[in-house]
Amino acid sequence: GAVVSQHPSRVICKSGTSVKIECRSLDFQATTMFWYRQFPKQSLMLMATSNEGSKATYEQGVEKDKFLINHASLTLSTLTVTSAHPEDSSFYICSAPGTGAHEKLFFGSGTQLSVL
Amino acid sequence: GENVEQHPSTLSVQEGDSAVIKCTYSDSASNYFPWYKQELGKRPQLIIDIRSNVGEKKDQRIAVTLNKTAKHFSLHITETQPEDSAVYFCAASLGSSNTGKLIFGQGTTLQVKP
Repeated sequence: GAVVSQHPSRVICKSGTSVKIECRSLDFQATTMFWYRQFPKQSLMLMATSNEGSKATYEQGVEKDKFLINHASLTLSTLTVTSAHPEDSSFYICSAPGTGAHEKLFFGSGTQLSVL
Repeated sequence: GENVEQHPSTLSVQEGDSAVIKCTYSDSASNYFPWYKQELGKRPQLIIDIRSNVGEKKDQRIAVTLNKTAKHFSLHITETQPEDSAVYFCAASLGSSNTGKLIFGQGTTLQVKP
């Protein structure tokens, strides 16, 4: 099956700093990737759709200037949480549709962000 | 906006019993319905999925049923084992499956007691 790699797995940062999370499709190309956010014991909430070579599209209520997304190549999408605050602490997880059956999503391993 | 409702939020069964998790969706254009299993702190893993042109699909101890008219779909796990304990999420495609976007249910924490 398709493999999606996500780094880092865990990050602790001070309030006001920026954090970059990388999502890579290892054995396939992904023109589209999705970024989700998950609070403890809650569901996955779609934040934005990352599009290779064009601007990301954000879901309602998600600040695009807060969560910068870059999809510079067919295998890499990055999410940067700018000027992080404690309320941004969460589990961030990316996903990409596999080849063939486009609708099947494969998830990265997730990044646990803790902002002090 | 579109949403997916999932019930129950927690489910406890004895090993060997069956477990059923139910979901309803609101987007009449949804045509793809996957189920994911997520263990604590790990990525969701696709366990089974169904498309809207099929009413039922089975894979060993796991089955999914879909009632498109009622906008209901369910996950059935038979002969449960302790390793089935995890959080299960249903999802529905937002619009047609071509977009790749999924709307997730709230999750069900399944506990299988030995």
